[in-house]
Amino acid sequence: QVQLQESGPGLVKPSETLSLTCTVSGGSVSTGSYYWSWIRQPPGKDLDWIGYVYYTGVTNYSPPLRSRITISRDTSNSQFSLKLTSVTAADTAVYYCARAIYDGSGCFYFDLWGQGTLVTVSS
Amino acid sequence: YELTQPPSVSVSPGQTASITCSGDKLGDKYVSWYQHKSGQAPVLVIYQDTKRPSGIPERFSGSNSGNTATLTISGTQALNEADYYCQTWDRGTVVFGGGTKLTVL
Repeated sequence: QVQLQESGPGLVKPSETLSLTCTVSGGSVSTGSYYWSWIRQPPGKDLDWIGYVYYTGVTNYSPPLRSRITISRDTSNSQFSLKLTSVTAADTAVYYCARAIYDGSGCFYFDLWGQGTLVTVSS
Repeated sequence: YELTQPPSVSVSPGQTASITCSGDKLGDKYVSWYQHKSGQAPVLVIYQDTKRPSGIPERFSGSNSGNTATLTISGTQALNEADYYCQTWDRGTVVFGGGTKLTVL
């Protein structure tokens, strides 16, 4: 049974870089045609898609965040990570990692999610 | 692209709950639905408009036509109380609805 677990600092200072890792247990990030994704939810607000890294290493990022994001995968450790630079208080959110599937006919959906981790941006 | 959901829906136990998700020509796209309980991982309950993942009860069903997709929960139980989000894929990006809080009174 595949499970996802986020890890990383819960507190980041403004202007610094937010770094999170998602560990995939019971599976691999380099096989299976999955899109390994990050999604966040600011307090009291909507779910906000950040981006993904495909199992081949190809990435796709949300346009508003594209200039600040890097998502990468570590195949040897079955992990993938998120780096978000120049953070502000607006980046305070619960960050989720998730596994996504694209069926080739226009259906892209998240079939497995981590529990989420709260990251607060504050000095 | 935007998806619009009602902020809240209330239903009595045993009754049918319907949660809508609206978007321009949404029927031309595929919609998925997620159940999210506070402090827990979101759970996929419907994908490709109408399909249920393994382990999701038959009481959950979905439809999508015109500008509106609908998640229907029949015989609603107290344990179905949660936030529900619709989601679609538009021009290479993921779009979520604003979420609907389902209250089982």
